[in-house]
Amino acid sequence: DIQMTQSPSSLSASVGDRVTITCRASQSISSYLNWYQQKPGKAPKLLIYAASSLQSGVPSRFSGSGSGTDFTLTISSLQPEDFATYYCQQSYSTEFTFGPGTKVDIK
Amino acid sequence: QVQLVQSGAEVKKPGASVKVSCKASGYTFTGYYMHWVRQAPGQGLEWMGRINPNSGGTNYAQKFQGRVTMTRDTSISTAYMELSRLRSDDTAVYYCAREPFVVVVAASDYWGQGTLVTVSS
Repeated sequence: DIQMTQSPSSLSASVGDRVTITCRASQSISSYLNWYQQKPGKAPKLLIYAASSLQSGVPSRFSGSGSGTDFTLTISSLQPEDFATYYCQQSYSTEFTFGPGTKVDIK
Repeated sequence: QVQLVQSGAEVKKPGASVKVSCKASGYTFTGYYMHWVRQAPGQGLEWMGRINPNSGGTNYAQKFQGRVTMTRDTSISTAYMELSRLRSDDTAVYYCAREPFVVVVAASDYWGQGTLVTVSS
């Protein structure tokens, strides 16, 4: 199966900061990479699919890039509602897998 | 509007089975895969598998092969996930989530509210 890693595992940032989270796959997954946001006690929310496509209704401060094995989620200007945990997910193989998550909290 | 409504919390003993339901509304049930994802307390997301409600075909994570069964009843737009031989480390919130039948998307755009399954003697 395809293993996903994320870095950092956590970060502290301030409102207005630019935040970048990295996701790496154990083998090439083309652009089959999704990003989800999860807040405590809530279901995950799809932010980005196919590595760089913004899900409908998601603010444009979120963007994704990458292909092959290395991917990035960027929040251009962190807002108070963005403090959450972010997960990448590969959908290249028939066994989808998630990364371990990156927790973004307030500095 | 699209809704996925899951069944209520369950408490089970080790060795038992649990069956969680996910009722879909607001879209064509047979036009989207249904995934199941779980999250143990304080842990990350774990993909368990998916079912094609149109054909009934399934893909399961290797970790759950032989213990998980995903089914559906198209007459009532409901998907089911049954997990057998429960252990304490199966204690988790179980989510259903749909995925469009569009290869380029391959992501879960709507999720259920989650069902807490507690395994305890």
